[in-house]
Amino acid sequence: GAGVSQSPSNKVTEKGKDVELRCDPISGHTALYWYRQRLGQGLEFLIYFQGNSAPDKSGLPSDRFSAERTGESVSTLTIQRTQQEDSAVYLCASSLVGTGAPLHFGNGTRLTVT
Amino acid sequence: DQQVKQNSPSLSVQEGRISILNCDYTNSMFDYFLWYKKYPAEGPTFLISISSIKDKNEDGRFTVFLNKSAKHLSLHIVPSQPGDSAVYFCAASAINTGKLIFGQGTTLQVKP
Repeated sequence: GAGVSQSPSNKVTEKGKDVELRCDPISGHTALYWYRQRLGQGLEFLIYFQGNSAPDKSGLPSDRFSAERTGESVSTLTIQRTQQEDSAVYLCASSLVGTGAPLHFGNGTRLTVT
Repeated sequence: DQQVKQNSPSLSVQEGRISILNCDYTNSMFDYFLWYKKYPAEGPTFLISISSIKDKNEDGRFTVFLNKSAKHLSLHIVPSQPGDSAVYFCAASAINTGKLIFGQGTTLQVKP
């Protein structure tokens, strides 16, 4: 596809369940980012992958959050034992290089934890 | 610790007038700055950027100004159009980090 694709677009889950969010970046983009936007707030950095380098996980809010990336393609963000405060829109973005290039965002996954 | 701050949550402007959105940052290592626009239920889209070696960058109706000594940047939209109504985020990164830090966003409403 032409842009960053995220699935599912919406996810409702019960507190305590695990969820997995998927991101397909733009082909050829070496850098991939995950952000979170809670209601009424800005974009909160979660994690950043650049090529084969170790990911920057400095934004992950707790050890319940993890992310993987297969080579320079698909990434999954996993949230274990979900809590109500995890409810947010989770946005994935990719770019050609890690620095100095604009990010291209997907439309996000809206996660609601009941 | 909010490294990038947009202190105005909202701004309302008449069509045809200038919109000025402001952003402040605290990290002196930031050297690349961007503005993004976001419509509801969509991801942010890139608008314009500026590197720290410049103090102005212009693209059509959009101009970004950077004042490094004040750690301040602004986005000017002129003339403003109703279709510009959206949430605007500024973002910054430091060289060699790749991590892009966003502000909280400013909701712009352009009234016809």
